[in-house]
Amino acid sequence: QVQLKESGPGLVQPSETLSLTCTVSGFSLTSNSVHWVRQPPGKGLEWMGIIRSGGSTDYNSALKSRLSISRDTSKSQVFLKMNSLQTEDTAIYYCTRETHWGQGVMVTVSS
Amino acid sequence: DVVLTQTPVSLLISLGGQASISCRSSQSLVHSNGNTYLHWYLQKPGQSPQLLIYQVSNRFSGIPDRFSGSGSGTDFTLKISRVEPEDLGVYYCLQRTHNPNTFGAGTKLELK
Repeated sequence: QVQLKESGPGLVQPSETLSLTCTVSGFSLTSNSVHWVRQPPGKGLEWMGIIRSGGSTDYNSALKSRLSISRDTSKSQVFLKMNSLQTEDTAIYYCTRETHWGQGVMVTVSS
Repeated sequence: DVVLTQTPVSLLISLGGQASISCRSSQSLVHSNGNTYLHWYLQKPGQSPQLLIYQVSNRFSGIPDRFSGSGSGTDFTLKISRVEPEDLGVYYCLQRTHNPNTFGAGTKLELK
């Protein structure tokens, strides 16, 4: 069945780079898009970006300068990298195939 | 970027009652291919969001027919009839017609 699972560090220092991995199963990355969405504590959902089946990407305008999404299709993994992290980037980070979502990973930005 | 305005911010509904949530877009969500990529999600407390309705009015697999979506262009509505306890949570609309994709701010459904 379709599954997505996020992994990465729970704590990141301000100004450092966040690296997250989304490992998928039950579908192929070459036939499906994967999105990243985040949710600050107690707040709404924010779409971050997408990597399409063909490998092209699009990003949230406000995050574009700091964000990069890539993938390794042989490992069924999608990667998120975001630099210059600030406390406002503290959130649950989800990867999603639109119809299915991962459980999310909580990332706290703090010294 | 497209702005989705959801109203109301919160809803107090009795069990068995009906709820209606509006999602208005700052521009038409009709894609150049003729489809309208406006979806509805429910996020129950402590859980990841789940897809309810895709492309305005299509219920996702396993979603009961108590949930219905309608609308066109810039104006969309999610209706929930015969509200049950498991319907509680925050409802979000999402547009995927334009890049970047954008979510509405959410509508919290609570029991009266």
